[in-house]
Amino acid sequence: EDQVTQSPEALRLQEGESSSLNCSYTVSGLRGLFWYRQDPGKGPEFLFTLYSAGEEKEKERLKATLTKKESFLHITAPKPEDSATYLCAVQAGTGFQKLVFGTGTRLLVSP
Amino acid sequence: DAMVIQNPRYQVTQFGKPVTLSCSQTLNHNVMYWYQQKSSQAPKLLFHYYDKDFNNEADTPDNFQSRRPNTSFCFLDIRSPGLGDAAMYLCATTTGGGYNEQFFGPGTRLTVL
Repeated sequence: EDQVTQSPEALRLQEGESSSLNCSYTVSGLRGLFWYRQDPGKGPEFLFTLYSAGEEKEKERLKATLTKKESFLHITAPKPEDSATYLCAVQAGTGFQKLVFGTGTRLLVSP
Repeated sequence: DAMVIQNPRYQVTQFGKPVTLSCSQTLNHNVMYWYQQKSSQAPKLLFHYYDKDFNNEADTPDNFQSRRPNTSFCFLDIRSPGLGDAAMYLCATTTGGGYNEQFFGPGTRLTVL
C-alpha cells in the first residue's frame, strides 16, 4: 500500500530562519510527487510537481527536491505570510491513480 | 479569476437531513474529484469522474453520492448526514490521464447538528 509520511507535524520558525520539511514515501512506481500549501479553512493550493529523483523546483522562498525515498521542501528566510500547512502527495502505479496525501506539516513563522 | 468554485462555502444541516454541495470549474478539465478532509487530517478521496465515468472509492459510504450533469459541474449528495460527516469537502479537477496537478476549490465546511 502506498504511504506518505510528513515530518515534523508542526514547525515554528522565526522570520528569516531557514528550515526544511520532509516527505518520505513508499510507493510502487512513482508517477509524481506534489506539494500543496493549505491555509486554514481553504482548499489546498498547488505549489510543485516533481517527477523523478534529482529533480528540483523553486518558487520564491520555496525549493522542492526529490530523491527515490523522500522529498524536501526547503524554506529560505521565511516570512509570516509563509505560515500554513504544507501537504505532500504522491501518485503511483499504472493507469489512473489517486493522490495519496500525507497529513501535512503546520508551519508557523513568527515576526 | 476563479477556476474551481464551490457553493456554499459553509453549510449547516440537521442530522439525517439530505444536503447537496456543488462544484463548478472554468478550466474545462475532464477529471473531477471529491475529497473529505477532517481537522488536522489528510484529504480523503471519496470518488472521481473521468469524463462521465464515475469511480467510487471502496471505502466511501453508500450515504455519499455524486452527479456530474456536464463537464463544468459536479455535485456531492449526502443522503442522511451523521455527526461523523461534519468535515471540509473539497472539489478538485485535473486534465488528461490524471498524472497532472489537481486544482482545488476553496471547500465547503459542513456542520451537522
